[in-house]
Amino acid sequence: DQQVKQNSPSLSVQEGRISILNCDYTNSMFDYFLWYKKYPAEGPTFLISISSIKDKNEDGRFTVFLNKSAKHLSLHIVPSQPGDSAVYFCAASGGTYKYIFGTGTRLKVLA
Amino acid sequence: NAGVMQNPRHLVRRRGQEARLRCSPMKGHSHVYWYRQLPEEGLKFMVYLQKENIIDESGMPKERFSAEFPKEGPSILRIQQVVRGDSAAYFCASSPGSGGISYEQYFGPGTRLTVT
Repeated sequence: DQQVKQNSPSLSVQEGRISILNCDYTNSMFDYFLWYKKYPAEGPTFLISISSIKDKNEDGRFTVFLNKSAKHLSLHIVPSQPGDSAVYFCAASGGTYKYIFGTGTRLKVLA
Repeated sequence: NAGVMQNPRHLVRRRGQEARLRCSPMKGHSHVYWYRQLPEEGLKFMVYLQKENIIDESGMPKERFSAEFPKEGPSILRIQQVVRGDSAAYFCASSPGSGGISYEQYFGPGTRLTVT
């Protein structure tokens, strides 16, 4: 039972354009959401988070949007850069330490 | 300002041997989490520990797996009598606390276990 889903295993975007990564969840008890970036042979690196009391959080080129009614969140990267090429995981928690991760989306930014 | 340290980075074991994976949390962090990532899957929570205490091991297989976080030294994830299905990347994460909802977990580089 996959509670956090990233339905696009991969995404290719031209440098300078917007990258949109999507994540859906099923558990309405989740109230905290995070995005991690992972390079090969490295651990995930925290990118940005959002709590359920907000619908948007921005940090530089990265913005996360949360649509609670649709149980959907998305990560926007503008403008995309070649160094953004990585696997992106969304994760969710229900007010606890236990993160539930999606399966990841591999982003490739083309120069 | 060292991050989360894990060793070894790569570990090869034959079926039936024991695997020991070590994790040193970030300085100032007293909470450690272990995750496992199977090929083409996301990270799956295994266990959450504080110093000398296992807080939640609900993600650990019931047999052959154990974890500890002693008063001194790193956290250890131990897998006895390894089988091929144990081959995976094992990630350790740490946080300064677990209260509330917003303690981000910082991950180590992982240990890639291969069982032959």
